[in-house]
Order: sequence, then structure tokens, then C-alpha cells
Amino acid sequence: NAGVTQTPKFRILKIGQSMTLQCTQDMNHNYMYWYRQDPGMGLKLIYYSVGAGITDKGEVPNGYNVSRSTTEDFPLRLELAAPSQTSVYFCASSYSLGGSGNTIYFGEGSWLTVV
Amino acid sequence: AQSVAQPEDQVNVAEGNPLTVKCTYSVSGNPYLFWYVQYPNRGLQFLLKYITGDNLVKGSYGFEAEFNKSQTSFHLKKPSALVSDSALYFCAVGAFGNEKLTFGTGTRLTIIP
Repeated sequence: NAGVTQTPKFRILKIGQSMTLQCTQDMNHNYMYWYRQDPGMGLKLIYYSVGAGITDKGEVPNGYNVSRSTTEDFPLRLELAAPSQTSVYFCASSYSLGGSGNTIYFGEGSWLTVV
Repeated sequence: AQSVAQPEDQVNVAEGNPLTVKCTYSVSGNPYLFWYVQYPNRGLQFLLKYITGDNLVKGSYGFEAEFNKSQTSFHLKKPSALVSDSALYFCAVGAFGNEKLTFGTGTRLTIIP
């Protein structure tokens, strides 16, 4: 079972470059999320989507953009990369509201370094 | 606003001993509580959750957690620790109607052979 698949696994970016983290899920989940994980800080929600065509900001959206054209895909775009965006990024999905008791399933993570 | 606290950054336990990883929460209304585990260079894996009903919840790999409403806690436990249990553990809280799950900062569990 594939579950949530995100690419690339590792990437080094130069300051000012842009890139897209890809995420796809095959569980037909309505909800998808992007989190970032920084040491000692836990997970912070960047953006989430409740369905195709609908996205909303999380706790730390600045410097990022998302789109949701299909149920399966939820790419995260980094514009003008900055060292503060060095982090581990996790894509996740759930059938319904994650905060309302529905289990959230995570991808394997993307390690991004901005130099 | 909802929040969750994991008061211990690091917990060390000898193999074969019982283990406890602590979690307390704050939320308006009835909480939904989760435990996730993260192995090195991997994503988070779901362990168990409390939605309603029995306060003792059993999950994967022999883990269980006890919901205590009066102490607003949801501690993770296992009767006998294995070296393979060494990982980073996250507690998370939500509530009815919330899109978002709030995660704690994580507790690194190390099982000493």
C-alpha cells in the first residue's frame, strides 16, 4: 500500500531559488496537510486542504504556496527560499477532519536545506 | 486555543522495564487524543487514539495510553520496553469540529540494553 508519497526525499537549495515538494495519496482522502518539523519544536501546520480546489493557511504559511487541483495531489511551493525554511517537511492526509478524531497518515518526509 | 505539553524531552528506560511517556493537554470541549511514533529519518506512524469510551486505549506494538480527564493527561505506557521502542514520540490533541490537530514537541525515548 503506497499511502502518502512525497518527493524528493532530500534537496539542497540555494537562497532565492524556488522549488515544489510533490505529494500524492491513494487513499481517496478529502483532507491533506503540509507540516514542517524543526528540532525541539514539534510539527507546525503550514497549509491544509479540505478538498479539491479548497486550501487554507495553517500556523506558518509565510513563504509557501499550495494548490489542490485533484483529490490525490497537494504540492507545496517554496518561493525565494530562505535559510529559515531549512526543515523537514511532511505531507499528510485524513478521510475527514484530522482534529476531530480522524487518523492522519503521514508521508516519509522531505529533508530540505537552504544554503 | 488547544495545546499539548510533553514535559520530558528525553526518557531513558532499561530494556524489560515498564515505560511511561507523559502528555498533558488543554482544549475546549471533549478532547480527541493521539500518539504517534517517529523512527529515524521516517514519517510519523499512528500508534493509538482516544475518542470516547474506555479510558484505557490499546494500540500498536503493545503500547497503551490512559485518558485521565481530571488531570487532563494522556500518558503512553508499555509494560516491558524493547530496544526497538527507541524513537521519538508525539502526543497530539484535537476537538470536535477542528480541522487541525495540535502536536506536542516530542519525547525522545531511549531503551538501554
